[in-house]
Amino acid sequence: GENVEQHPSTLSVQEGDSAVIKCTYSDSASNYFPWYKQELGKGPQLIIDIRSNVGEKKDQRIAVTLNKTAKHFSLHITETQPEDSAVYFCAAKKSSGDKLTFGTGTRLAVRP
Amino acid sequence: KAGVTQTPRYLIKTRGQQVTLSCSPISGHRSVSWYQQTPGQGLQFLFEYFSETQRNKGNFPGRFSGRQFSNSRSEMNVSTLELGDSALYLCASSLGGLASNTGELFFGEGSRLTVL
Repeated sequence: GENVEQHPSTLSVQEGDSAVIKCTYSDSASNYFPWYKQELGKGPQLIIDIRSNVGEKKDQRIAVTLNKTAKHFSLHITETQPEDSAVYFCAAKKSSGDKLTFGTGTRLAVRP
Repeated sequence: KAGVTQTPRYLIKTRGQQVTLSCSPISGHRSVSWYQQTPGQGLQFLFEYFSETQRNKGNFPGRFSGRQFSNSRSEMNVSTLELGDSALYLCASSLGGLASNTGELFFGEGSRLTVL
């Protein structure tokens, strides 16, 4: 089955700096890649997603890039703010009917 | 619009006992999926229910089971609890579920189970 690896497991940045989280997937048939943000005491929430026919997608300060050849995708957060502090999960899905496979998460801390 | 509601939020059990967790999805959502979250393991898929039918199952032992009612509310049950079952159990609802090629998942806040 699909395997998703996520790095780093923890990341600490200064407020205003950029943060990058990287994920690799194993199944070349995967075609949907969402990112979820989990704040303390809450359930994960979708923040951005990308399909395999697109190389990059942006939404204000966050962006996701996808390299299908290398089978990896990344989350980029620019101008980080303290409210960006959370655990971020990447995920991959192969096809209709297939389950979503999550990475192990990255705990991001933004220092004020 | 009310979100996904999970009950209870916290519970403590001892080894060998069984536990039932409940999840009420967003109104109109017919799919409910369950995940186990542990430190270092991320979110592990347990199973998905859609219109009262189990549509997908993860790699968990038979001690983990679930069901969905006609109003889309779902329950999961863990029998013969082990120490390793201590985790945050999250449920997520969605419109089309895993059959949708994309399909945003809306998660509840989870039920934190501690097994002593």
